[in-house]
Amino acid sequence: NAGVTQTPKFQVLKTGQSMTLQCAQDMNHEYMSWYRQDPGMGLRLIHYSVGAGITDQGEVPNGYNVSRSTTEDFPLRLLSAAPSQTSVYFCASSWGRREPQHFGDGTRLSIL
Amino acid sequence: KNEVEQSPQNLTAQEGEFITINCSYSVGISALHWLQQHPGGGIVSLFMLSSGKKKHGRLIATINIQEKHSSLHITASHPRDSAVYICAVPNTGNQFYFGTGTSLTVIP
Repeated sequence: NAGVTQTPKFQVLKTGQSMTLQCAQDMNHEYMSWYRQDPGMGLRLIHYSVGAGITDQGEVPNGYNVSRSTTEDFPLRLLSAAPSQTSVYFCASSWGRREPQHFGDGTRLSIL
Repeated sequence: KNEVEQSPQNLTAQEGEFITINCSYSVGISALHWLQQHPGGGIVSLFMLSSGKKKHGRLIATINIQEKHSSLHITASHPRDSAVYICAVPNTGNQFYFGTGTSLTVIP
């Protein structure tokens, strides 16, 4: 039982490059979300989805896009990477918006 | 303004000590979550509670809804308990407010 799988685990980008962080879950969870974690700050919500075809913005959505074409997958796209997007990114899923969340192992992203 | 405040920020304990981590929040909630982030970075959900107390092994979580306060206790602490403990509360929308975490180090 894989749970929530994030890829890649590490990535270094140059300013202006684009990339997609992958997130997949095998628990049939409806609710999925992307967070970023920066030193000295709590987890901050980037985007979330309450089901296939439905996405919405969180606290810090600028510079990121998401889509939810299937229940299992919820990719996060960086459109034009900036050094301010250097962070650790976590994907999470749960049965409902207030239920315990299952987290992926995180992606450490550095933008040079 | 932080909707969720945790204390202490950092905590060092000797193996075997009883540990308490506190969480205060300013919003009305239906449930509060405690998370554990391992040194390697992975995050796991420890508890979700809306009243009273829950226990899992050596971990005990309590909540006082009227006082908007929750505590996470660890009995007979062990070096493997070293981690960051995060408190989170859902808001009225689809989001969570997260505390900045309490970094616990248990020394053998």
